Amino acid sequence: QVQLVESGGGVVQPGGSLRLSCAASGFTFSIYGIHWVRQAPGKGLEWVAVIWYDGSNKYYGDSVKGRFTISRDNSKDTLYLQMNSLRVDDTALYYCVRDRGYASSWLDFWGQGTLVTVSS
Amino acid sequence: QSVLTQPPSASGTPGQGVIISCSGSTSNIGSNTVDWYQQLPGTAPKVLIYSNNERPSGVPDRFSGSKSGTSASLAISGLQSEDEADYYCATWDDSLNGVLFGGGTKLTVL
Repeated sequence: QVQLVESGGGVVQPGGSLRLSCAASGFTFSIYGIHWVRQAPGKGLEWVAVIWYDGSNKYYGDSVKGRFTISRDNSKDTLYLQMNSLRVDDTALYYCVRDRGYASSWLDFWGQGTLVTVSS
Repeated sequence: QSVLTQPPSASGTPGQGVIISCSGSTSNIGSNTVDWYQQLPGTAPKVLIYSNNERPSGVPDRFSGSKSGTSASLAISGLQSEDEADYYCATWDDSLNGVLFGGGTKLTVL
């Protein structure tokens, strides 16, 4: 069965860095685009970034552009999100999500999320 | 404030129907398909409708989607208590080169 398991969340001070990982299993990771989507406590969903199946294209939401970097290692079936210059408003549950289409919003499998808390 | 506009709340009694709207623009809904997500309390979202009006296997036919121009709608018929959840529309935006989510609609079954 398809599984996406996020890790790497935790508490970090403003201005700090964190690297999230997402381990995929149960499907051919290398043929799917993967997104990061976040949800602040009590708030709605916010798209963070997407990476093409082969890593050739990467796009970011305006609020994280220039601070976050999405990457993947298809040999390890793993997605990453390097987060730098973290701000208090980056506090959220970060989901790793599979794109069932091609550059689409059809997100068919979601991980359970990893919590990032930015606080002094 | 989200670029895709949804009503923040909706409600109905068991057995009734409800429609949740999602309004966008030509660069998003007007150019791409719309998907709908259901998020039950304390859980990750799950896709309810994809490609405007398609249901994944396992989603009851009480749920249906439609799109016209720069707007989309999710219709739920025969409301049940377990339908109480947050609902989000989503689409690709050609200007952003990314996914846009609506602000979400909290559905209450009275």
